[in-house]
Amino acid sequence: DGGITQSPKYLFRKEGQNVTLSCEQNLNHDAMYWYRQDPGQGLRLIYYSQIVNDFQKGDIAEGYSVSREKKESFPLTVTSAQKNPTAFYLCASTRSGREQTDTGELFFGEGSRLTVL
Amino acid sequence: GEDVEQSLFLSVREGDSSVINCTYTDSSSTYLYWYKQEPGAGLQLLTYIFSNMDMKQDQRLTVLLNKKDKHLSLRIADTQTGDSAIYFCARAVSNYQLIWGAGTKLIIKP
Repeated sequence: DGGITQSPKYLFRKEGQNVTLSCEQNLNHDAMYWYRQDPGQGLRLIYYSQIVNDFQKGDIAEGYSVSREKKESFPLTVTSAQKNPTAFYLCASTRSGREQTDTGELFFGEGSRLTVL
Repeated sequence: GEDVEQSLFLSVREGDSSVINCTYTDSSSTYLYWYKQEPGAGLQLLTYIFSNMDMKQDQRLTVLLNKKDKHLSLRIADTQTGDSAIYFCARAVSNYQLIWGAGTKLIIKP
């Protein structure tokens, strides 16, 4: 079955530590995204990547970093510079959006909940 | 204010219809979407509507789009306990980016 896998599902971090959240997809999608979700707020875009070896900052990129060395993988590192990292993080992917039949549907992983102690 | 606005909560009785509303400020979108999020999980696409359509029906779901008022609604007929979730509306601003509402938590009363 094709899909997106995020790991770990739960992660605890001490202040000052960097942590990396994994996101892997086998949907052969070109574009991948990282969102942050906080209670009572819509999803906020952290980073997105349209193609391998290229990525763009979203609305709240400060304190985060990503890489896109393979089409299937888009890991997110939450650095110690992120002031308020406790949140639910969602990875998503979509087809390229270049074809007229593409509806832009996003496919999401199950999320990773990061708690800073 | 927010570009896409939704009420945070909606409470309905089991068996009744649920209507979740969404308003937006920019009418340049191509697609508008409704996603569902169950507790502790990712989002799943429920339905979408192209901006040149007024209505779309899919089994128990009806989407209405009023372009003049920039208003999108999702009606769920015969609401069941399994419909308890957070419902997000979103609009596409490019091939790669969406603007999201804050989500409406649907609470089902027995």
